[in-house]
Amino acid sequence: RKEVEQDPGPFNVPEGATVAFNCTYSNSASQSFFWYRQDCRKEPKLLMSVYSSGNEDGRFTAQLNRASQYISLLIRDSKLSDSATYLCVVDGGATNKLIFGTGTLLAVQP
Amino acid sequence: SAVISQKPSRDICQRGTSLTIQCQVDSQVTMMFWYRQQPGQSLTLIATANQGSEATYESGFVIDKFPISRPNLTFSTLTVSNMSPEDSSIYLCSVEAYDRPQQFFGPGTRLTVL
Repeated sequence: RKEVEQDPGPFNVPEGATVAFNCTYSNSASQSFFWYRQDCRKEPKLLMSVYSSGNEDGRFTAQLNRASQYISLLIRDSKLSDSATYLCVVDGGATNKLIFGTGTLLAVQP
Repeated sequence: SAVISQKPSRDICQRGTSLTIQCQVDSQVTMMFWYRQQPGQSLTLIATANQGSEATYESGFVIDKFPISRPNLTFSTLTVSNMSPEDSSIYLCSVEAYDRPQQFFGPGTRLTVL
């Protein structure tokens, strides 16, 4: 089983749609969780951290379910500029290493 | 967040040669990392660059192939030695935020080996 698993997509959605990405992780000792965004031919950039209580940043909502070892990202009112690959990232438990999922490709269509 | 630069941004190299990639940060950081991202793949950690001591390599990566230097808290280099076409990839350095575990990435070095 992969340490971090994501649906690779692509997710093709119209502008204004709501889209949700899911991610599961295997290490129950992981404590830190993130969503990164990676545009084509660019480096990954931190989108948001994910907290147990859930957190929201504008149109983006992230949630964590520790019992199920499951993380989600919800994007509301999708914009063309949201088109990117979204990487689910989890820490390696007792280490400060980060484990990256393979990413979910989102394409927002006009 | 720290400003991170990498040089070169891209290179095309012949097999059997070596390339050294530089990573410069605009502030002192404790943790620096080197990743590889092969075409269509996610990021794989190569090693943690330790200041003043040998780098810590992940499974599948060895010092002879990927020697790393970390002479101070703002700079690191990664060398890809005796390159083959399988080494064609994007190489990224990252630094850890001083007060939380998230990492910030340099712009990457796109390497093509012929």
